[in-house]
This record gives sequence, C-alpha cells and structure tokens, in this order.
Amino acid sequence: QEKVQQSPESLIVPEGAMSSLNCTFSNSASQSIWWYQQHPGKGPEALISIFSNGNKKEGRLTVYLNRASLHVSLHIRDSQPSDSAVYLCAVNYNQGKLIFGQGTKLSIKP
Amino acid sequence: NAGVIQTPRHKVTGKGQEATLWCEPISGHSAVFWYRQTIVQGLEFLTYFRNQAPIDDSGMPKERFSAQMPNQSHSTLKIQSTQPQDSAVYLCASSPPGVDTQYFGPGTRLLVL
Repeated sequence: QEKVQQSPESLIVPEGAMSSLNCTFSNSASQSIWWYQQHPGKGPEALISIFSNGNKKEGRLTVYLNRASLHVSLHIRDSQPSDSAVYLCAVNYNQGKLIFGQGTKLSIKP
Repeated sequence: NAGVIQTPRHKVTGKGQEATLWCEPISGHSAVFWYRQTIVQGLEFLTYFRNQAPIDDSGMPKERFSAQMPNQSHSTLKIQSTQPQDSAVYLCASSPPGVDTQYFGPGTRLLVL
C-alpha cells in the first residue's frame, strides 16, 4: 500500500518569507510527484510536478526531489497572503491514480 | 472553459437512501477520476476511466458503490443504501490525452443523516 506523508501539519509564515513544505513517499517506483493547492470549498488545483531527481523552478515555486531518500519538498519564495491554503503532495502511480498526503495548512501572516 | 462540472454541489440523504453524483469532464479530456475527501482519511482515490473504459476501481468500496461513464461527456457515481460514514466531499477530476495533470471539479458535499 503506497503511503504519502506530509510535514508539518500546519505552518505559519510571515509575508515575504520562504515557505517550506515536506513530503515523503513509500515507493521509489512512483512516477511523477505533484503539489496541489486547495482553498476552502474548492477542488485541488495543480501547482507543479517533478519526475526526475533534482529541482524544478516555476516562478516563486521550487520543488526538490530525492528518490533515494523518498523525499520531495516545495518552497514558496516571497510568500503572499493569497498563498494561504492547504497544500497536498500527491504521487502518481501507474499513469493514473494519485495517492495524496494529508496536507499542510499554510497561513501567511501579513 | 467552464472546468469540470459537478452536480449537485450539496446533497443530503437519509440513511438507506440512494445517492447519484454527476460529473461533466472538461471537453476533450480522455480520463475521468473520482476521489473522496474527509477530514479523517484525507483525499482518497476511488476509480477512474480512460476513453470511457473502466481502468482501475481499486479504491471503490466493494458493496454499494458503482461508477459509470456512458459517454465522453459525463460520469456518475452511485451510492446505494447510504450510510453516515459515506458523508464526504466527492471530487471528480479529468485529464487530457497524454498529460498527467488532473483538473479537479469543486466537489459534491454529501451528508447522510
């Protein structure tokens, strides 16, 4: 049974600072790793994905993947109040279903 | 582009009644996924279709739950004899051909009393 664990459960970050979220997964044979953002009452929205070891940068987002340690992290530079949301790490297995972590609730403090 | 459409947005049923949830994927998308979200269990995969064919239903409870995709423009999730533990937000997502990104709808909040 694939498992995805996220830490921390919640995070408060001052506006303008870096937000760092972590995720570990149980199976190195997974395909892509995704980060989704979910606001209250809405469905999750895909932010960024990574497949290969190393890092990937898109705008204020940077994601790091280390398959050997089964770890992926998301970093949000210059965090804004609009970034306040739940962030979900998800692992794509078999080019189909996503297995999600429990989420990290991020609050950006003005 | 209206995105993935789910109806109804909210549904209240009595224990033992049937509930049918509808999903209209984004036009041109070939895969449709169903997930369930609760506070305790988080977001769990239920089932998915590709080109209307069922591919993986490993997350579906074996009894009472069924899903269909009769045409490329909609999918249904049916729960028979609903129980209070079925209360959750049911999310539908779709993906275009050859692309991993899943686009989620707003969900249907089901409350079983």
